[in-house]
Amino acid sequence: LAKTTQPISMDSYEGQEVNITCSHNNIATNDYITWYQQFPSQGPRFIIQGYKTKVTNEVASLFIPADRKSSTLSLPRVSLSDTAVYYCLVVTNFGNEKLTFGTGTRLTIIP
Amino acid sequence: NAGVTQTPKFRILKIGQSMTLQCTQDMNHNYMYWYRQDPGMGLKLIYYSVGAGITDKGEVPNGYNVSRSTTEDFPLRLELAAPSQTSVYFCASIEGVLLYNEQFFGPGTRLTVL
Repeated sequence: LAKTTQPISMDSYEGQEVNITCSHNNIATNDYITWYQQFPSQGPRFIIQGYKTKVTNEVASLFIPADRKSSTLSLPRVSLSDTAVYYCLVVTNFGNEKLTFGTGTRLTIIP
Repeated sequence: NAGVTQTPKFRILKIGQSMTLQCTQDMNHNYMYWYRQDPGMGLKLIYYSVGAGITDKGEVPNGYNVSRSTTEDFPLRLELAAPSQTSVYFCASIEGVLLYNEQFFGPGTRLTVL
């Protein structure tokens, strides 16, 4: 399993763009990068996943450089409701892989 | 679709008691997972199942048992509850067999062992 490293916490003001970087130096060829969001007292919720370059959906963008040893989740124009814990996972796309969540990044949006 | 449902939402157990946490999904997903989340921590995988009749241990299986007799249900059994099992338990499922597909999580069961 590729180990991931994220900042423990981040603060940002409302309306700003927030970038959360995840390091995964030993990512393998078959691994994908997936991000989840978790609000207090709720289960995690899927945000986005990608393999390389850039992926964008209605919620976020995911930037993955060519060497794939890191990835950056970008949240545009955050609001107070984006205050949550964000988890980066590296997942192999086949087999009985055991999915592992780290401690995540606690993002606090300041009014 | 109701998605992934878990019962009960809350439970208080005395040390040594047993209980079963229920998890049901109505999306016909093959892969199902049980996690526990201690306060301020990430999720740790307890057990997982890739289909009816097939289960395997995750990172922290001690003190727990699972069964998967149907595609829909994946109950987690706690035998001889201990204070260390005080946690929030989440069940999740994935569509298909691609592990990078979206995991759908249930609302969780908050368990306290006193």
